[in-house]
Amino acid sequence: GAVVSQHPSWVICKSGTSVKIECRSLDFQATTMFWYRQFPKQSLMLMATSNEGSKATYEQGVEKDKFLINHASLTLSTLTVTSAHPEDSSFYICSAREDRYEQYFGPGTRLTVT
Amino acid sequence: QKEVEQNSGPLSVPEGAIASLNCTYSDRGSQSFFWYRQYSGKSPELIMFIYSNGDKEDGRFTAQLNKASQYVSLLIRDSQPSDSATYLCAPQDNYGQNFVFGPGTRLSVLP
Repeated sequence: GAVVSQHPSWVICKSGTSVKIECRSLDFQATTMFWYRQFPKQSLMLMATSNEGSKATYEQGVEKDKFLINHASLTLSTLTVTSAHPEDSSFYICSAREDRYEQYFGPGTRLTVT
Repeated sequence: QKEVEQNSGPLSVPEGAIASLNCTYSDRGSQSFFWYRQYSGKSPELIMFIYSNGDKEDGRFTAQLNKASQYVSLLIRDSQPSDSATYLCAPQDNYGQNFVFGPGTRLSVLP
């Protein structure tokens, strides 16, 4: 099956700093990648959709200047949380899709902002 | 506003029984329906998907779809303790662009 990796698996950072999370599709070319956020005991919330080579489409209520997404190649997308605050602490999950319909999820990145 | 509803549970079934997970959706334009399993602290993993009315079987799992009723379900036969997880229903829109995830149903299979 399709494999998606994320790095780092978990990260702790201080308030006000920026954190970059990488999402890679290892054995397929991902034309579209998605970024989700999940708070404890809640469902996945889509943050943004990115297509390779174009600007990401952000969901309503997600600040594009705070959550910078770059989809520079067909196998790599990055999410940068800028000026992180404790309320940004969450489980960030990416998913990737080739030309078929199903999405394959990365293992997630747990971010803790102190 | 596209909505997906699932019973949050927990749904408890004894080992070996059939677990039935239900999902309703509001977007009549939804064409494909995906079921994901999420263990605590982990990311979702795809179980199966269905896009035609009726039943689709894959091993111990059977997905059932009724587009007229805007209802999709997942049956798990011979439930095992390892099936204990949260199950997410995800209709996909007609453009094949995006999922709207339901809140998930927490399943507990008792040994």
